[in-house]
Amino acid sequence: DTGVSQDPRHKITKRGQNVTFRCDPISEHNRLYWYRQTLGQGPEFLTYFQNEAQLEKSRLLSDRFSAERPKGSFSTLEIQRTEQGDSAMYLCASSPQGFNQPQHFGDGTRLSIL
Amino acid sequence: QKEVEQNSGPLSVPEGAIASLNCTYSDRGSQSFFWYRQYSGKSPELIMSIYSNGDKEDGRFTAQLNKASQYVSLLIRDSQPSDSATYLCAVKNDYKLSFGAGTTVTVRA
Repeated sequence: DTGVSQDPRHKITKRGQNVTFRCDPISEHNRLYWYRQTLGQGPEFLTYFQNEAQLEKSRLLSDRFSAERPKGSFSTLEIQRTEQGDSAMYLCASSPQGFNQPQHFGDGTRLSIL
Repeated sequence: QKEVEQNSGPLSVPEGAIASLNCTYSDRGSQSFFWYRQYSGKSPELIMSIYSNGDKEDGRFTAQLNKASQYVSLLIRDSQPSDSATYLCAVKNDYKLSFGAGTTVTVRA
């Protein structure tokens, strides 16, 4: 069990640029989640995949955000035209299918917008 | 009203003492409850899950759930300096987790 892997760990970019993050879930997990966490707050749900299907998107996920999970394996989260308010830790989690299955988090990608 | 609320910290306890963390939630239909530990700059790490009313013990950790009162708690017995972290209460509704803001615990040696 290699855990949830996220890349890059840190990203610094200028306002207006596009960024893309990658998440590799635990191999046997078919559910994948993206969360965003800002300083002093708990993670906030962004979106959820079951296999390759994106089943839910939070209203936090503006049209500048897009997420994909081709072939139901790794996932990418892209932010277009970044804004200062996008600065946060972006966390990916995965879980097996099942009602009470806990979610396991990756180390996150910290995004800083200059 | 926030979906998940935790007692405000920070909480400072001496080494060897019991740390008590509390959490309330608003959705009466919630079925799954989790406690995560988060060290500064790191990702949340699952430490306890509880699904039924009552107590669940795992080592030095005890989670308590009271669905009628919409209340979850975490006790850390024999607190160690390595327990110093932020503890996040998470409530699962359907597939997503709703988190509280966290309670920061500092264990004084």
